[in-house]
Amino acid sequence: SQTIHQWPATLVQPVGSPLSLECTVEGTSNPNLYWYRQAAGRGLQLLFYSVGIGQISSEVPQNLSASRPQDRQFILSSKKLLLSDSGFYLCAWSPTSSPGNTIYFGEGSWLTVV
Amino acid sequence: DQQVKQNSPSLSVQEGRISILNCDYTNSMFDYFLWYKKYPAEGPTFLISISSIKDKNEDGRFTVFLNKSAKHLSLHIVPSQPGDSAVYFCAASQYGNKLVFGAGTILRVKS
Repeated sequence: SQTIHQWPATLVQPVGSPLSLECTVEGTSNPNLYWYRQAAGRGLQLLFYSVGIGQISSEVPQNLSASRPQDRQFILSSKKLLLSDSGFYLCAWSPTSSPGNTIYFGEGSWLTVV
Repeated sequence: DQQVKQNSPSLSVQEGRISILNCDYTNSMFDYFLWYKKYPAEGPTFLISISSIKDKNEDGRFTVFLNKSAKHLSLHIVPSQPGDSAVYFCAASQYGNKLVFGAGTILRVKS
C-alpha cells in the first residue's frame, strides 16, 4: 500500500531563517505531488504541484519554493521566512492516472514563525 | 474567485441525529466531487466521492448527494457520532485538473 510521510511535524523558526520541509511517498511510482497550506481559520490553499522530477508549478506568488529531486520526494523551502508563512503545511500525492484526482495527504507540519 | 463554497463555518448536532454538510460550486465543468475529513493537527483523510454521472453515493453512514442543476452537493452522516467531530472539506475537480477545496465546515457532535 502507498504511504506518505512528511517532516518535521512541528517547528518554530525565527523571521528571516531558512525553511526545509520534506515529504516522501512510498509504494507508488511517478505520483503527482502537492504542497498545501492551511492558514488559521482558512481552507486548504494549493501552493505547488509537480507531475514529475524537476517539474514544479506554482499556484500563488509567495516567499516559498518547491523542488522534486527524486520521483517520490518533494521539498518545500524558503530562504528567509516571514511571519505570514506561519501555518499548517500539508504534502499530498495522487496517482498519475487518477479517475477523479483523489489526493492523499500526509500528516502535516506545523510551522510557527516568530 | 471561490469556485467551491462551504457557507456554513460550523455545525452542531446531537449524537445519533443526522448531520448535513453543504457545498456549492460555480464551475459547471467540474465532474468529480470529494469530501475530506480533518482532525486538528492531522492531514485530511479522504472520505467519499461522487462522479457527476451519479446523484448519490453511499458508504456506510456517509452519503453524498449531488444536484448538478443547482450546483450543490451535500454530505449526510447518519447516525452522527462524537468521533465524527472534525472539519469537513468539500473539493471538486474537472478531469485531469487539480482539486479545488472549500473553506471547510467544523462539525461538532454532542453526546
